[in-house]
Amino acid sequence: EVQLVETGGGIVQPGGSLRLSCAVSGLRVSDNYMTWVRQAPGKGLEWVSIIYDDGGTFSADSVEGRFTVSRDTSNNTVHLRLDRLRVDDTAVYFCARVYGGNHFDYWGRGTRVTVSS
Amino acid sequence: SYDLTQPVSVSVAPGQTARLTCEGNRIGYKNVHWYQQKPGQAPVLVIHRDTNRPSAIPERFAGSNSGNTATLTITAAQAGDEADYYCHVWDSRTAVFGGGTRLTVL
Repeated sequence: EVQLVETGGGIVQPGGSLRLSCAVSGLRVSDNYMTWVRQAPGKGLEWVSIIYDDGGTFSADSVEGRFTVSRDTSNNTVHLRLDRLRVDDTAVYFCARVYGGNHFDYWGRGTRVTVSS
Repeated sequence: SYDLTQPVSVSVAPGQTARLTCEGNRIGYKNVHWYQQKPGQAPVLVIHRDTNRPSAIPERFAGSNSGNTATLTITAAQAGDEADYYCHVWDSRTAVFGGGTRLTVL
């Protein structure tokens, strides 16, 4: 059974940092594209970042230069480092597996990030 | 950037057919995926690559895609189908979601 479990969310002041983690079981992050998607309160889904099976990464313009996606293959975990946080980064952050470079077939339950002074 | 437009809300009577649309420029040339999200839960994939249904999804869910419109059709709608539905495509290396449609079954 595939499971994705996000941790690391919390309350942080504007300009602060957090590191989110997505612990994966049932598949190897080194063999898959893994992605982060966020959802602000009462809003829709917004794609954030992706890490490819070769370790390359790409992020949305809205977070480029502030958020960094990485992985730890020994622990089968994907991370999202959030720097220079802004109030509008407040959201639930989900990680997901990207199947075949196309759709997101497995999702975690999300971790909540609140940016507030 | 590529934009996807979904109606904010759709209502359907129980047992009737709901059609949820997703409009985008020449979307028929892209692979469209659909997700269902219930309050407080993670999204669930219901249709991938336009028409393909994961094994756990009922046959009542079907997808189509042509021209500038992709459609998720839910036949014999049930109360349990009430949720937000999002379409998704890739625009080069960027994933794009529609704004979502709130389906109400009443």
